[in-house]
Amino acid sequence: KAGVTQTPRYLIKTRGQQVTLSCSPISGHRSVSWYQQTPGQGLQFLFEYFSETQRNKGNFPGRFSGRQFSNSRSEMNVSTLELGDSALYLCASSLVGSGNTIYFGEGSWLTVV
Amino acid sequence: AQTVTQSQPEMSVQEAETVTLSCTYDTSESDYYLFWYKQPPSRQMILVIRQEAYKQQNATENRFSVNFQKAAKSFSLKISDSQLGDAAMYFCAYRQNTGNQFYFGTGTSLTVIP
Repeated sequence: KAGVTQTPRYLIKTRGQQVTLSCSPISGHRSVSWYQQTPGQGLQFLFEYFSETQRNKGNFPGRFSGRQFSNSRSEMNVSTLELGDSALYLCASSLVGSGNTIYFGEGSWLTVV
Repeated sequence: AQTVTQSQPEMSVQEAETVTLSCTYDTSESDYYLFWYKQPPSRQMILVIRQEAYKQQNATENRFSVNFQKAAKSFSLKISDSQLGDAAMYFCAYRQNTGNQFYFGTGTSLTVIP
């Protein structure tokens, strides 16, 4: 069974640009969540999607958005990039239900210059 | 909001020895789940072990076991017979019974000395 797949793995953007990251969950997993990992802030929850609906959102500005498609694939978008957005963005998927474990992708490294 | 605290930024252990990583959390919930994830240099987060708060028995996965003290809100990870491949950053995580948001600690970097 294929794991969580994230693309692109590495990218460099200029301040002010926007970026879209993609995540394909494990087959059968309908919940997809996104996390930002930085040395200073650690792992922070961005948002979670289930059945194309955002179920939960972390404390990030509106520049961070996401969506989920009918096949459970998800994208996240960051507009008007700032230097502080440089981070590893991790996508995780899980089955729906109480107590389910989330499984992570390898992440997308974003560098904003 | 729930908080997860890992007070040991770095730990080291001799190969084949045992090491314990500490984690405490703060919650007012009675039903929740706790996890340990491992992040090697590849940055892939890998599940090590999970514990349901309603279970009194401590979870065990091969060389990995936990000491879950619900009243003390403590959730430590013991790694027995440490191997070089255990070297990684270890994150403690908390998940409420409802919703799918995980709260992570700041991590403990484990070095295994040959």
